[in-house]
Amino acid sequence: AIQMTQSPSSLSASVGDRVTITCRTSQGISNDLGWYQQKPGKAPKVLIYGATNLQTGVSPRFSGSGSGTDFTLTISSLQPEDSATYYCLQDNTYPWTFGQGTKVEIK
Amino acid sequence: EVQLVESGGALVQPGGSLRLSCVASGFTFSNIWMGWVRQTPGKGLEWVAHIKTDGSERYYVDSVEGRFTISRDNAKNSVSLQMNSLRVEDTAVYYCTRLVVPDATYNWFDPWGQGTLVTVSS
Repeated sequence: AIQMTQSPSSLSASVGDRVTITCRTSQGISNDLGWYQQKPGKAPKVLIYGATNLQTGVSPRFSGSGSGTDFTLTISSLQPEDSATYYCLQDNTYPWTFGQGTKVEIK
Repeated sequence: EVQLVESGGALVQPGGSLRLSCVASGFTFSNIWMGWVRQTPGKGLEWVAHIKTDGSERYYVDSVEGRFTISRDNAKNSVSLQMNSLRVEDTAVYYCTRLVVPDATYNWFDPWGQGTLVTVSS
């Protein structure tokens, strides 16, 4: 199975900060990667698919980049409602695998 | 509105069986791949299985292969997960989710149900 290394596992940042979360895969997956946001007690929600494509209705302060083995989710200007855990998911090779998650807290 | 509603979660003993169900509404169910993703308490997410539109293709994570079976009934807009030989490590919230595959280029899960809790314990 493709191993996912997501970092950091948690971070604390201030409103307005630029936040970057990275996901590295153990083998190349082209651009077959999505990013999901999960708030406490809620189901996950897709933010980005195909590494760089913003899901309809998602704030444009979220963006994704990368291909191959290294991917990044960027929040351009952190807002209070962005407090959540973020997961990457590779859908290139079965079994599909998630990263371990990054918990984002607001200072 | 697209909606997914799971049911069937319960407390079950190790070695036991359980069947989860998910009823979908708000979209043409027979045209859509469907899947299950689980989340262990306090931990991360794990893709479990998904099934093609007509049920002709099914994929599973290794840890459930041979024990779990995903199926669907397009006439009832429902997808199920039959879980046999349950283990303590199968304890999790199980989410039903729609796999969006618009043009075979990209995939994503959207939306997700509210989840149903399966607890495997003696």
